[in-house]
Amino acid sequence: EDQVTQSPEALRLQEGESSSLNCSYTVSGLRGLFWYRQDPGKGPEFLFTLYSAGEEKEKERLKATLTKKESFLHITAPKPEDSATYLCAVWTNFGNEKLTFGTGTRLTIIP
Amino acid sequence: KAGVTQTPRYLIKTRGQQVTLSCSPISGHRSVSWYQQTPGQGLQFLFEYFSETQRNKGNFPGRFSGRQFSNSRSEMNVSTLELGDSALYLCASSFDRAYEQYFGPGTRLTVT
Repeated sequence: EDQVTQSPEALRLQEGESSSLNCSYTVSGLRGLFWYRQDPGKGPEFLFTLYSAGEEKEKERLKATLTKKESFLHITAPKPEDSATYLCAVWTNFGNEKLTFGTGTRLTIIP
Repeated sequence: KAGVTQTPRYLIKTRGQQVTLSCSPISGHRSVSWYQQTPGQGLQFLFEYFSETQRNKGNFPGRFSGRQFSNSRSEMNVSTLELGDSALYLCASSFDRAYEQYFGPGTRLTVT
């Protein structure tokens, strides 16, 4: 069964303090890995799609990378508005195709 | 372009009742997926519809069902509601499989 594990569960950073969030996966036949941001009471907001190991995507202070077993979301010099829960999800091509989500990392940026 | 819309946004029902939730995808998107989100279980996949056909299904009981119309709009129905069905129900649309999914704001269902 596909498994997606995100760590840490929660992370508190000072404004400007860079860090990384981890998403490790055990799946059969990865077709894509997605990162989302979710604010309380709202639906997840799409951030990135990564399709193959070695791929990198950037958006403002966020950079996502992918290896054969995990993905990292690097946050550079974060601001308070970056506070949210960050979710990763994998799409596989084995059996019943669906998107499997991790439980997320709750990020808090302290001014 | 307009995003994914879901109606209603909030709903309070009593145990044993049934409920229908609606989702309008982004124009041009033919795949609509439904998810249940709870604090304990996170986001769990319910089912996916593509061109009016259910293409994939998660591990939920038969009380959860859905359908998709020719204009790609989708509805989800839950019959014989249980307290444990209280959750945020999210709809997401995409062009097709393995493409990024765009989520609606969700319907907050409370079962009393």
